Amino acid sequence: NAGVTQTPKFQVLKTGQSMTLQCAQDMNHEYMSWYRQDPGMGLRLIHYSVGAGITDQGEVPNGYNVSRSTTEDFPLRLLSAAPSQTSVYFCASSLRLAGPDNEQFFGPGTRLTVL
Amino acid sequence: LAKTTQPISMDSYEGQEVNITCSHNNIATNDYITWYQQFPSQGPRFIIQGYKTKVTNEVASLFIPADRKSSTLSLPRVSLSDTAVYYCLVGGDNFNKFYFGSGTKLNVKP
Repeated sequence: NAGVTQTPKFQVLKTGQSMTLQCAQDMNHEYMSWYRQDPGMGLRLIHYSVGAGITDQGEVPNGYNVSRSTTEDFPLRLLSAAPSQTSVYFCASSLRLAGPDNEQFFGPGTRLTVL
Repeated sequence: LAKTTQPISMDSYEGQEVNITCSHNNIATNDYITWYQQFPSQGPRFIIQGYKTKVTNEVASLFIPADRKSSTLSLPRVSLSDTAVYYCLVGGDNFNKFYFGSGTKLNVKP
C-alpha cells in the first residue's frame, strides 16, 4: 500500500493563478480531508468528504474548492491564489469518522508559496 | 470545536519518561482521545487512542481519568528521535470537531 500520496511536493504560484493539489489513497477509506498548516501552528481543516460525491466545509474553506468523484481521489483547487494561502497542505484519510479506530492517515504534504 | 489545551513545549533528556497532559473539558460522551506525532516536514502520524482508563501500545501509554476531562500521553525512555510535536485530538462523529491546536513541542536532549 502506498497509503496517502500527494502531488506536487512543492509549488510556487503567482497571485491570481489557479492550481490543483492532488491527493490519492489506496486504503479504500471513505473519509478524506484537507488541512493547512502555517508556520508554528497546528493543522486547520479546509474541506472534508465522507464519501464519493459528498463534501463539506471545514474551518477555513474560503478560496478553496474540492470534489470527490471517486473513493480514491480528493483534489483541492485553489481558485485564485493569494499570499495568505502560502502554507503546507496535508491530505488525510480514515476508515471511520467516529472512534474507535478512526485514526487519520496523512500524506507527506505539499509546500505552497504564493508570491 | 472540541478544543484542547496542551503545554506549548517540553524539554527532556534521553532515557527519561515524558508525560504530556492535555485538557479537554468539553469532551462529549462518544468522543475518543487520539494522539498524533509530527516530525518537521512530515504529516502527523497516529500514536495512540483511548476512551477511558489506560491504553498501552508498543510506543506509548495513554492515561485517562474517570471524568475524561484530561488525558496524559506517556513516552517511556525517550530518545533523540522522539523530538517532535505531539497533538492531542478529541472527536467523535463530526469532522469539524477535530481540533489540532498548536500541539506540544517535545525537545529531547542528549
